[in-house]
Amino acid sequence: DVKVTQSSRYLVKRTGEKVFLECVQDMDHENMFWYRQDPGLGLRLIYFSYDVKMKEKGDIPEGYSVSREKKERFSLILESASTNQTSMYLCASSLQVSTFIEAFFGQGTRLTVV
Amino acid sequence: DQQVKQNSPSLSVQEGRISILNCDYTNSMFDYFLWYKKYPAEGPTFLISISSIKDKNEDGRFTVFLNKSAKHLSLHIVPSQPGDSAVYFCAASGGAQKLVFGQGTRLTINP
Repeated sequence: DVKVTQSSRYLVKRTGEKVFLECVQDMDHENMFWYRQDPGLGLRLIYFSYDVKMKEKGDIPEGYSVSREKKERFSLILESASTNQTSMYLCASSLQVSTFIEAFFGQGTRLTVV
Repeated sequence: DQQVKQNSPSLSVQEGRISILNCDYTNSMFDYFLWYKKYPAEGPTFLISISSIKDKNEDGRFTVFLNKSAKHLSLHIVPSQPGDSAVYFCAASGGAQKLVFGQGTRLTINP
């Protein structure tokens, strides 16, 4: 069974804090993703990585950075948290194939910035 | 620019009837489409997919239809059950190794 695990289910942080969201997958997937989910906006891609130490910006990378030092781990970093980064954050992973992509998601981290 | 659109934020259906969720896309390079289901406080789970070389894919109570000329796909659930109440996301990919999602439709099945 594919497992994508996010380190926290709920987080409350103060404005200006540096925040780390951790994600680990156990299926040796090459691709890993960070999305955020907001009402009425769906899932928007923040960053993705297709290999260790490789990263690409998604649709909304501003205010975020990522780190992928090991294949199984993909971290999302909020350099200086702001209230507009209050959201549900979802990590996902997938195999690198030429045809289709079925991404497997973690349980999500509900981040509140106060 | 929203490349994948789900124009109905919510849908309410009676138990036992058919649920039809719709999705439109603008990028003609998309060649694979997926539906995900999401319960509150959980991550999305894969439901069903379809390749652009097909126009229909069926899995039990779930059927996805693809109309490439209209850039439209739909998910049919029949018969609808209370456990189907969730948010449904349409997603598309076009060889860039990433999925583009729609805004989601909240489906409520009424007893």
